[in-house]
Amino acid sequence: QSALTQPPSVSGSPGQSVTISCTGTSSDVGNYNRVSWYQQPPGTAPKLLLYDVTNRPSGVPDRFSGSKSANTASLTISGLQAEDEADYYCTSYTTSNTYVFGTGTKVTVL
Amino acid sequence: QVQLVQSGAEVKKPGASVRLSCKASGYTLTNNHMHWVRQAPGQGLEWIGIVTPSNGATSYAQKFRGRVTMTRDTSTSTVYMDLSSLSSEDTALYYCAREGIGIESWGWFDSWGPGTLVTVSS
Repeated sequence: QSALTQPPSVSGSPGQSVTISCTGTSSDVGNYNRVSWYQQPPGTAPKLLLYDVTNRPSGVPDRFSGSKSANTASLTISGLQAEDEADYYCTSYTTSNTYVFGTGTKVTVL
Repeated sequence: QVQLVQSGAEVKKPGASVRLSCKASGYTLTNNHMHWVRQAPGQGLEWIGIVTPSNGATSYAQKFRGRVTMTRDTSTSTVYMDLSSLSSEDTALYYCAREGIGIESWGWFDSWGPGTLVTVSS
């Protein structure tokens, strides 16, 4: 199972929006809405941001939103803030009854 | 509140095995699946496998099959991961992560342990 493909890095100025893509195949992202996203600041454990493509757990700001089209899921951060600087990972359930993570994206706030 | 407490750092020689533990509190262990995920230094997250504490069922990533075993002890609310035939490529921070559940919703990791660093070196 190959890792889902994410851009290595994205950047934006405070207040701007950035979008991170997560591209898989018809065996994972394209076949299920079991896509979730995680934020990992340096030196910390990952934190759940979105689940089932678009759902936010309580406590996650609505600046974080998700979508999916075919084999690609996306995470959009609107109104970028300095505290959003972190690594972001997607994950998906697969037809092999396993899970696969994305390659990870570093978000830099300029 | 949900808390996952993981065992301490390990240093192993190539070819050895390691057992990691993850003790859950703040909820009933058997209500949620538990996953293991690792992160090599400076690298991304890698899914290793899942254990269902209610019945002991497991599923592992193809890469680890044959040398990983996940078990649970419901009496102590603890899950374990054994990894054998260690090599330097297994040097990583190993996380346990609870799978969240909802109405017709699953497959997301809502609580993570702090991680256990495993270093494999001769």
